[in-house]
Amino acid sequence: QVQLKESGPGLVQPSQTLSLTCTVSGFSLTSYHVSWVRQPPGKGLEWMGVIWTGGSTAYNSLLKSRLSISRDISKSQVFLKMNSLQTEDTATYYCARDITYWGQGVMVTVSS
Amino acid sequence: DIQMTQSPSSLSASLGDRVTITCRASQDIGNYLTWFQQKPGKSPRRMIYGATNLAAGVPSRFSGSRSGSDYSLTISSLESEDVADYHCLQSIQYPLTFGSGTKLEIK
Repeated sequence: QVQLKESGPGLVQPSQTLSLTCTVSGFSLTSYHVSWVRQPPGKGLEWMGVIWTGGSTAYNSLLKSRLSISRDISKSQVFLKMNSLQTEDTATYYCARDITYWGQGVMVTVSS
Repeated sequence: DIQMTQSPSSLSASLGDRVTITCRASQDIGNYLTWFQQKPGKSPRRMIYGATNLAAGVPSRFSGSRSGSDYSLTISSLESEDVADYHCLQSIQYPLTFGSGTKLEIK
């Protein structure tokens, strides 16, 4: 059974770095790619980036300078790090396997 | 980047109505179009993939179609459980891009 679960801090201060973890089960990260998608409150979905089966990555050009996605295959975990957070980064952050299976999401608020 | 223009942004319809939501792609995306349903507080659920293919477990009242660069999601007979936000996604090219979403309500 395919499962993904996001975890991380619910509150981050402006200018700080966000670190999120997506723990997966039911499949291997070497067989399926995983994307990060976010959704500000009351707004639409924004694709952030992807880590492919070989470990290479691609990012949304609007976020590329601040965003890093990596993984630990042995732990079945995918990581998101985004620096220089602003209030506009307040959102629910999702990880998704090939945009088909989604985690439950984690709400992140950027506020002092 | 490929732009996905989704309309309408909101829609109010009566139970039993036929409802259609549309996304227009700014470039050729072939059939690389997915429709998602998202209920309040929940993750998106894939409803249609490859523009016209019904995902597993999705009721047959949902269907997807394509006419040129216009992609449509149709609910043949609206039920109360269909109240949700709907999003389209193109996946032919990175960065992946979503439509702006449609909020579907019961009149």
